[in-house]
Amino acid sequence: DQQVKQNSPSLSVQEGRISILNCDYTNSMFDYFLWYKKYPAEGPTFLISISSIKDKNEDGRFTVFLNKSAKHLSLHIVPSQPGDSAVYFCAASEETSGSRLTFGEGTQLTVNP
Amino acid sequence: NAGVTQTPKFQVLKTGQSMTLQCAQDMNHNSMYWYRQDPGMGLRLIYYSASEGTTDKGEVPNGYNVSRLNKREFSLRLESAAPSQTSVYFCASNNRAYVNQPQHFGDGTRLSIL
Repeated sequence: DQQVKQNSPSLSVQEGRISILNCDYTNSMFDYFLWYKKYPAEGPTFLISISSIKDKNEDGRFTVFLNKSAKHLSLHIVPSQPGDSAVYFCAASEETSGSRLTFGEGTQLTVNP
Repeated sequence: NAGVTQTPKFQVLKTGQSMTLQCAQDMNHNSMYWYRQDPGMGLRLIYYSASEGTTDKGEVPNGYNVSRLNKREFSLRLESAAPSQTSVYFCASNNRAYVNQPQHFGDGTRLSIL
């Protein structure tokens, strides 16, 4: 039972354009959502998060949107840069403390110069 | 600024051998976690330690044991390695006493079991 799902294994965008990565979940008890970025041979690096009491959170070029009724979140990167090329994982936790994360499968983002 | 340190970075084992993966964090976090990542899949939680002295099973605990040695260190042991345990193992930590605390990850241990 895949509780967090990223349906697009890969995404390719042009430098300067918007990248939109999507994530769906099935567990209505999830209370805290995160996006991680992962380069090859490194561990995941925290990017941005959102609590279930909000529907949007921004940090520089990165914005996360949460639609609780649709059980859907998305990550927008504007403008996209070649250094953003990495695998992006969404993750969710039933606890606001961020314990016991459930991860999606990941989306490989490639930003072309 | 080390963060979460995992050793070793790579290891090859034969089926039936045992091994302990080490993890240490220097961020004074109270909670620590072990995940595994397999090709085409997200990270899956093996075991976690909410605080020093406690450990709990995650999603995929079979074949593993853990020890929370002190606040800084959390080890993962494979008693009798099997080919199905070939994976990349990540350790993470956070401060579970507060809300909205992202987990911070080490760079992983790549384990191959022949």
